[in-house]
Amino acid sequence: GENVEQHPSTLSVQEGDSAVIKCTYSDSASNYFPWYKQELGKRPQLIIDIRSNVGEKKDQRIAVTLNKTAKHFSLHITETQPEDSAVYFCAAQDNNDMRFGAGTRLTVKP
Amino acid sequence: DTAVSQTPKYLVTQMGNDKSIKCEQNLGHDTMYWYKQDSKKFLKIMFSYNNKELIINETVPNRFSPKSPDKAHLNLHINSLELGDSAVYFCASSLGHINTEAFFGQGTRLTVV
Repeated sequence: GENVEQHPSTLSVQEGDSAVIKCTYSDSASNYFPWYKQELGKRPQLIIDIRSNVGEKKDQRIAVTLNKTAKHFSLHITETQPEDSAVYFCAAQDNNDMRFGAGTRLTVKP
Repeated sequence: DTAVSQTPKYLVTQMGNDKSIKCEQNLGHDTMYWYKQDSKKFLKIMFSYNNKELIINETVPNRFSPKSPDKAHLNLHINSLELGDSAVYFCASSLGHINTEAFFGQGTRLTVV
């Protein structure tokens, strides 16, 4: 089955700086890669996703890149704000299930 | 108009008891999941159902039994609760089981004492 590794486990940045979170996956059949944000005490919510036929996708301050050959994908947040502080999960889905990375706790210091 | 709703939100119970968590989605989705989130925040899939049929059953103790009476509901029954079962359990649903966003319920915090 799929195995998703996520790094770093914690990330602290100054407001206005960029944050990058990286994930690798093991199953070459995986073709859908969503990113979820989970605020304290809340449910995970989708912030951006990318499918295997695309190498990059951007939505305002958030972008995701995918390298299918190397089996890794990354989340980039620019101009970070304190409200970006949360736990971020990457995930990879093949034809059966969605597997999550271990999560990255992002702290944006004002 | 909650999309994916779970009840209860909090559950405190003694070891050895049997408990159920209910989940309902009103999105018309075909696929529903149960995830367990432990104290380290790791989200681990437990079960996946597509159109009331079991698709995934991870290495979960058989004390955990999912029940899907229809495709809008996926309940989780747990027998003989153990201390290690304490976690937040999330129900989720998606339109299909391929290439689609999963919508999560608000979670059920289970504490076994």
